[in-house]
Amino acid sequence: DAGITQSPRYKITETGRQVTLMCHQTWSHSYMFWYRQDLGHGLRLIYYSAAADITDKGEVPDGYVVSRSKTENFPLTLESATRSQTSVYFCASSRARGARETQYFGPGTRLLVL
Amino acid sequence: DAKTTQPTSMDCAEGRAANLPCNHSTISGNEYVYWYRQIHSQGPQYIIHGLKNNETNEMASLIITEDRKSSTLILPHATLRDTAVYYCIVRVPPNFGNEKLTFGTGTRLTIIP
Repeated sequence: DAGITQSPRYKITETGRQVTLMCHQTWSHSYMFWYRQDLGHGLRLIYYSAAADITDKGEVPDGYVVSRSKTENFPLTLESATRSQTSVYFCASSRARGARETQYFGPGTRLLVL
Repeated sequence: DAKTTQPTSMDCAEGRAANLPCNHSTISGNEYVYWYRQIHSQGPQYIIHGLKNNETNEMASLIITEDRKSSTLILPHATLRDTAVYYCIVRVPPNFGNEKLTFGTGTRLTIIP
């Protein structure tokens, strides 16, 4: 039971570089989410996806791009990394939409932008 | 989503029941109460959720007061691995732009050997 995995777990990059964080889930969940967690801000939603080829912005989408060509994968790309994007990034998935639907989180990717 | 209030920190002796309170006095009739926890350096982990009835699963029990303005998460036999930050979240049915879970500051629970 692999569940939801993220790669890499740790990443160091430089300002201006493009970085892609991967998220993979084995449950065939329709919904997938990307959050970032920073001290003083809790978890903030970056983007989410309701199904393959359907994505939408969350609270803090600027500087990020997502795609969802397959149900099980939801990569997050920082097109030109900035120091303010240093954070811990969590991917999550849920079976469907609704207040009853639980979101399950991956282990996180710790990104440092120098 | 309704605002929640939790104590900043709590201690509990290993093997005892840990009771974590949450106030959500502005909760609406269609909002669910969720509990997640985050162990250091890991992703948030779902524990339990409920609407108005008490709920129990293999991890915990959730007691919701009759007026739904507060709830208590009970870990019946706390172990050292239960040391974590526990988040109480009140969640409306999502509509456009409201898919997120809103995590507050949570309660830092420390299990004492």
